Amino acid sequence: GQQVMQIPQYQHVQEGEDFTTYCNSSTTLSNIQWYKQRPGGHPVFLIQLVKSGEVKKQKRLTFQFGEAKKNSSLHITATQTTDVGTYFCAGTSSGNTPLVFGKGTRLSVIA
Amino acid sequence: NAGVTQTPKFQVLKTGQSMTLQCAQDMNHEYMSWYRQDPGMGLRLIHYSVGAGITDQGEVPNGYNVSRSTTEDFPLRLLSAAPSQTSVYFCASSYGQGHFGTQYFGPGTRLLVL
Repeated sequence: GQQVMQIPQYQHVQEGEDFTTYCNSSTTLSNIQWYKQRPGGHPVFLIQLVKSGEVKKQKRLTFQFGEAKKNSSLHITATQTTDVGTYFCAGTSSGNTPLVFGKGTRLSVIA
Repeated sequence: NAGVTQTPKFQVLKTGQSMTLQCAQDMNHEYMSWYRQDPGMGLRLIHYSVGAGITDQGEVPNGYNVSRSTTEDFPLRLLSAAPSQTSVYFCASSYGQGHFGTQYFGPGTRLLVL
């Protein structure tokens, strides 16, 4: 079945450094979603990418969807302590196929 | 709107006990799902529903039952709890974009099975 792999599993950065997490699917995706989960909290939707090569920005966060629609990345510029949490990607090969979540990248930011 | 609500927040069970995790949403979303989250494993789909009266199995359905008698409610039943079911359980709802559009998650239920 469809698999979604996410790397790295953990990332520790100094405040102000950049951070990137990568997501790779074993199959072509119709869309990919990104979620953030704060420690002790629940996942919260950040963004959805649908088009090949799509790039979207939310303030310091940049999301990319690969040309082949099999990979994606989330880049955070100049991390802040408020960025701490686990970032998940989730993809589906069609609207009728269940979302498959990556295992997440846990980000810690050292002030 | 309360969004997606889950009860209880925490539960301790003994092996072999049964219980029901409650989930309700007030957003009139068609689709609802149950996930479990274990350390290092991400979120895994247990069961999902595309509307009242319709349910289907996800990746890890064994040991769990669901039903969807109304649009609002989607309870998850553990038939005979096992230590391997110790986990954090999240309910989510979604609408449009096929079955798995943007997921709105509840706050979660933390379950410990002894």
